[in-house]
Amino acid sequence: DVKVTQSSRYLVKRTGEKVFLECVQDMDHENMFWYRQDPGLGLRLIYFSYDVKMKEKGDIPEGYSVSREKKERFSLILESASTNQTSMYLCASSLGRQAYEQYFGPGTRLTVT
Amino acid sequence: KQEVTQIPAALSVPEGENLVLNCSFTDSAIYNLQWFRQDPGKGLTSLLLIQSSQREQTSGRLNASLDKSSGRSTLYIAASQPGDSATYLCAFRSGGSYIPTFGRGTSLIVHP
Repeated sequence: DVKVTQSSRYLVKRTGEKVFLECVQDMDHENMFWYRQDPGLGLRLIYFSYDVKMKEKGDIPEGYSVSREKKERFSLILESASTNQTSMYLCASSLGRQAYEQYFGPGTRLTVT
Repeated sequence: KQEVTQIPAALSVPEGENLVLNCSFTDSAIYNLQWFRQDPGKGLTSLLLIQSSQREQTSGRLNASLDKSSGRSTLYIAASQPGDSATYLCAFRSGGSYIPTFGRGTSLIVHP
């Protein structure tokens, strides 16, 4: 079975802190994604990566950056956390560009106070 | 821009009923469509993936169908159980795209 893990299930940070969210997949998937999910807004794509060191902006990249130094790991960075970044963050991966299923991690509930 | 609509937004039914959840999309150039389940506070769990060349996929009590001409997919849940209570999301992927478009989901409650 594909496994996507996220470094924390719950995280509480203060405004202005630099926050790192880590995601690891164990199935040699090429594509990895970071989403945030908020009530009434659904899933929104922050960034995705289709290969090591490759990244593209999603719908809401402002205030975030990403890093993919190894194929299995995709990190989301909040450079200076703000209260409006309080959300559920979901990581996903998929094998390749076309016909493959997307698999999600368990999510990280981030609260910025 | 591709839009994916899920109707109804919420559904509450007694145990044992057969259910149909709907997912509509506006782009006819579908590559595949994936159904997910999400429990409160958790990530998404993949249920079924239908390729554009397929008409339906089945897994246990779940059956997903795809009608490209009408731009619709349905998820059929047979003999619903309280454990089926969750939010169900569909995700549409057009040809050659890395990025699926998600619907907002249908929140299902099955009463004992």
